[in-house]
Formats: sequence, C-alpha cells, structure tokens
Amino acid sequence: GEDVEQSLFLSVREGDSSVINCTYTDSSSTYLYWYKQEPGAGLQLLTYIFSNMDMKQDQRLTVLLNKKDKHLSLRIADTQTGDSAIYFCAQQGDYKLSFGAGTTVTVRA
Amino acid sequence: DAGVIQSPRHEVTEMGQEVTLRCKPISGHNSLFWYRQTMMRGLELLIYFNNNVPIDDSGMPEDRFSAKMPNASFSTLKIQPSEPRDSAVYFCASILQSSGNTIYFGEGSWLTVV
Repeated sequence: GEDVEQSLFLSVREGDSSVINCTYTDSSSTYLYWYKQEPGAGLQLLTYIFSNMDMKQDQRLTVLLNKKDKHLSLRIADTQTGDSAIYFCAQQGDYKLSFGAGTTVTVRA
Repeated sequence: DAGVIQSPRHEVTEMGQEVTLRCKPISGHNSLFWYRQTMMRGLELLIYFNNNVPIDDSGMPEDRFSAKMPNASFSTLKIQPSEPRDSAVYFCASILQSSGNTIYFGEGSWLTVV
C-alpha cells in the first residue's frame, strides 16, 4: 500500500541484529503492527505497538515508534536462519490494516 | 481458540469456473476482512464486514467478485467467472472491534486459475 513504505530487501549475517524500517502516513493509527510471512505460509502476527508507546520489547524483538516522524522499526537481535522471511509493517486506521510491500530478510551463514 | 479458519487452503481451477472461498472467523469477533495478496500489488483489502454487514467493498476488483456474510461465523468470497489474473492468496481476518484488540489472519487460500 502506498500509505506504508518499507525497504524491499535486507541481508544479514547469522547472529547479527536486523533492523527493518517503515514509514506510515496515518497519524491517527491506534496500533502499528509487524507481521512475518514465511514462504508458502500465512501472515503471522509478530508484535504490535500502541501509538502512545515509544518502545516495546518482546524477547529478541524490539519495536521503536517515532510518532513525530511516523517511523516504525523492528529490531531482531541475534538473527537466526529461521528469521528469513518477509516482514510486513501495517498501520491500523479506522477499521482496517494498510500494509507495506514487505521487506524480504535473508539470513546468511 | 482455533483461530480464523479458511478453506480451501489450495485450489487450482480452470479459467471461467466459479471459485468459492470460505472463512470462519474467531468466535465472538464482530468484524471480518478479506484481503488479497499478489506479487504486483501486495496486500489489498477487498471487503470489510461489521456485524455481518458489508461496510466497505471499495476494494472488490469488479463485478466478478462477490462476498457474503450470512451469519457471524461464516463468510464466502466468490469469483465468477474466474480469470488467470485472479491467481493470488486470499486472506480472511477477524477482530472484535473495541479498544485494545488486534486483527487475526487465517492461513490463506492459495488460488491458481489456469
């Protein structure tokens, strides 16, 4: 969706941290989401952040939200081969989610 | 909870045939969405139901597409007649629309029209 933008590709070495960035347009979004999609699989909700928060940490995942710049990021610590997937950023408007095009993360040994 | 259940998971059909995709939302959820995912267009919202009523169908591509929600536990997305460009993954999602709730997606129906 044109309302949410993310870089298309990210290559990271196993064990390093991955950072996926996203910009969104709807300043009234209540929630912002990160979904993971593995090849041939559906959308898995990874994490989400409420719009009044700046940061949320969940095990290896850290979400940072900069409301002023409408910028969202997802950091994956100690990236593993199982983290190779497409990661979608999404903003929740009045009632629906608008998705970015997805960032394909490739983890190399 | 079983989550959002979609069927069929995979379907291959010939051009011109009717396709019906089915969705069972999470029990107690009052809103349902159909999304389509393609390489070219990414994830697009097709239609949104609230309390079984279609609220926003602006994303439905054309008259060949129709969606129904006869009750709170079942929805269908129908394509008639199907065309090769309809090949995509169709996701159903549901939510209980109130503060603090999130949207849950089904596993998707992978449609190939040949």
